[in-house]
Amino acid sequence: GAVVSQHPSWVICKSGTSVKIECRSLDFQATTMFWYRQFPKQSLMLMATSNEGSKATYEQGVEKDKFLINHASLTLSTLTVTSAHPEDSSFYICSARGGLAGVEDAYNEQFFGPGTRLTVL
Amino acid sequence: GQQLNQSPQSMFIQEGEDVSMNCTSSSIFNTWLWYKQDPGEGPVLLIALYKAGELTSNGRLTAQFGITRKDSFLNISASIPSDVGIYFCGTRTGRRALTFGSGTRLQVQP
Repeated sequence: GAVVSQHPSWVICKSGTSVKIECRSLDFQATTMFWYRQFPKQSLMLMATSNEGSKATYEQGVEKDKFLINHASLTLSTLTVTSAHPEDSSFYICSARGGLAGVEDAYNEQFFGPGTRLTVL
Repeated sequence: GQQLNQSPQSMFIQEGEDVSMNCTSSSIFNTWLWYKQDPGEGPVLLIALYKAGELTSNGRLTAQFGITRKDSFLNISASIPSDVGIYFCGTRTGRRALTFGSGTRLQVQP
């Protein structure tokens, strides 16, 4: 259980185009999903927190108009990189968290997708 | 924001050796998590810790939540080649998003 998928696994696009990345929780309902970005040989940096049915909360320094997040259902969140530029090339990873509020155990932690490698030419 | 100091940055060991890595912070946390990331993949949860002093094992892995709630360590015993990867500690308070350490890159020589 607790499987999170991402699509596509990799994408190459031209500068100026938009790219949509999907994150799905396959066997549980995720009330909260998170989007991270990871540059080579660096740690994961949180971009935004996405709650189903409400606006995403973006971390400081992350442009909300450039990185559009939609969490329309309990199993799907999408990240759209608009007008992508080469500096947006990175490994984008989502995570999903379901579980019950107030319950702390490993089953209620974040489960990560396999990541999407974005290369902007 | 919250900053985690993870060390060592990298380790190159012989198969069969034990490994130890740790994370420290100036802040107090309610949760310490340890993840492993293989190349080109997302992180996978190894061990979750929720109480100060808690010592938890998962096979050859053992992790402890420091008494001060400001640190945690992860030990790997009798390392094998498939232990290769990047190990991240992660923390949070409540149901907020995770903050990750900088990672420990482990290489195991067969």
